[in-house]
Amino acid sequence: GQQVMQIPQYQHVQEGEDFTTYCNSSTTLSNIQWYKQRPGGHPVFLIQLVKSGEVKKQKRLTFQFGEAKKNSSLHITATQTTDVGTYFCTGGGNKLTFGTGTQLKVEL
Amino acid sequence: DSGVTQTPKHLITATGQRVTLRCSPRSGDLSVYWYQQSLDQGLQFLIQYYNGEERAKGNILERFSAQQFPDLHSELNLSSLELGDSALYFCASSVGQGVTGELFFGEGSRLTVL
Repeated sequence: GQQVMQIPQYQHVQEGEDFTTYCNSSTTLSNIQWYKQRPGGHPVFLIQLVKSGEVKKQKRLTFQFGEAKKNSSLHITATQTTDVGTYFCTGGGNKLTFGTGTQLKVEL
Repeated sequence: DSGVTQTPKHLITATGQRVTLRCSPRSGDLSVYWYQQSLDQGLQFLIQYYNGEERAKGNILERFSAQQFPDLHSELNLSSLELGDSALYFCASSVGQGVTGELFFGEGSRLTVL
């Protein structure tokens, strides 16, 4: 079955540093979605990427979809404490398989 | 507020017992998904319903069952509970069957089995 792996599993950064999480699939994805879950909260949709090589930005967040549509990344520039949480990807239009998630902690 | 309502928010029960978790999807959404999230774990898909019909099934235990009613709300039934069933159970909804479109998650039901 489809496998979606995320790396790293955990990331601690100092406030102001950049952060990147990667999502890798064993199969080609029709699209990919990213979600953020704050500590104690529920997952919240961030974005969906559909096209090969697509890049989308949301303020300090940059999302990329790989040319082969098998991987994706989320990059946060100059992290803030509000970025703390776990970032999940889910791909292939298959909401049944979420990535393992990357837990981000931001220290002052 | 995602528009997805889950009850109860917290539930404490004993091993061997049975509980029912309820989910009301966003207005207009026909799909309901159930996920299990154990401590510091990812989201494990359990089951999906679309307009009253079971659409997809994940690694849902035989002790667990679910259904979606004509008014589109859904219930997840967990029986013969074990300590390992302690987790956060999320319901999510979407308009379509799942190819595109975002998922809207409820705030979850935290189940503690003692």
